[in-house]
Amino acid sequence: EVQLVESGGGLVQPGGSLRLSCAASGFTFSSYWMSWVRQAPGKGLEWVANIKQDESEKNYVDSVKGRFTISRDNAKNSLYLQMNSLRAEDTAVYYCVRDVRQGYNSMVRGRVITSYYYYMDVWGKGTTVTVSS
Amino acid sequence: QSVLTQPPSASGTPGQRITISCSGSNSNIGSNTVNWYQQVPGTAPQLLIYNNDQRPSGVPYRFSGSKSGTSASLAISGLQSEDEADYYCAAWDDSLNGLWVFGGGTKLTVL
Repeated sequence: EVQLVESGGGLVQPGGSLRLSCAASGFTFSSYWMSWVRQAPGKGLEWVANIKQDESEKNYVDSVKGRFTISRDNAKNSLYLQMNSLRAEDTAVYYCVRDVRQGYNSMVRGRVITSYYYYMDVWGKGTTVTVSS
Repeated sequence: QSVLTQPPSASGTPGQRITISCSGSNSNIGSNTVNWYQQVPGTAPQLLIYNNDQRPSGVPYRFSGSKSGTSASLAISGLQSEDEADYYCAAWDDSLNGLWVFGGGTKLTVL
């Protein structure tokens, strides 16, 4: 069974740090991009960061750049999110999500062009982070 | 303020067909495919539609998606009480280094 299990959430004071972990099982973790998505209480979904299979590419939403760091350990089938300088607005449920890049070929003016479509297909149950004094 | 625009609410009666719209721009929906997620309150989101109109295994045929230009739609036919949930559209945005963007979500009520 494909599964993602987050851990590491909790209550932390403003300005503090927390490290989230995500344990993956049931699929070849090293073959996929991975993302973190969060949801503040009563609010919608917000993508936080993602990371390429070999860690050569990492992307972040502007509001966490310079404060959060995404990383992974393919040998341990694990994804991480180091969160520093936490603010009240970082309070949310944080989901670990499998990030799929599906390639397909098409002919354009006699040449084979590879394009991609993207989707996030497997979600963990989430871990709650509360930033409050 | 979400990058993709969805109506905050929608409603219908059992058996009815409803649609939920999602509006974006050239850098997201105009350039990439659209995905839809269903979230029952208190649970994690689940992928409902990917690549504009594809259903993952296990998703009923009642759910369908479409895309035109910089807009997309989710249709639910034969509405059932268990369809009451929040629905989110999402797309990859090619701005800067790239990022995922979501709609603000649509709360569907089955009357």
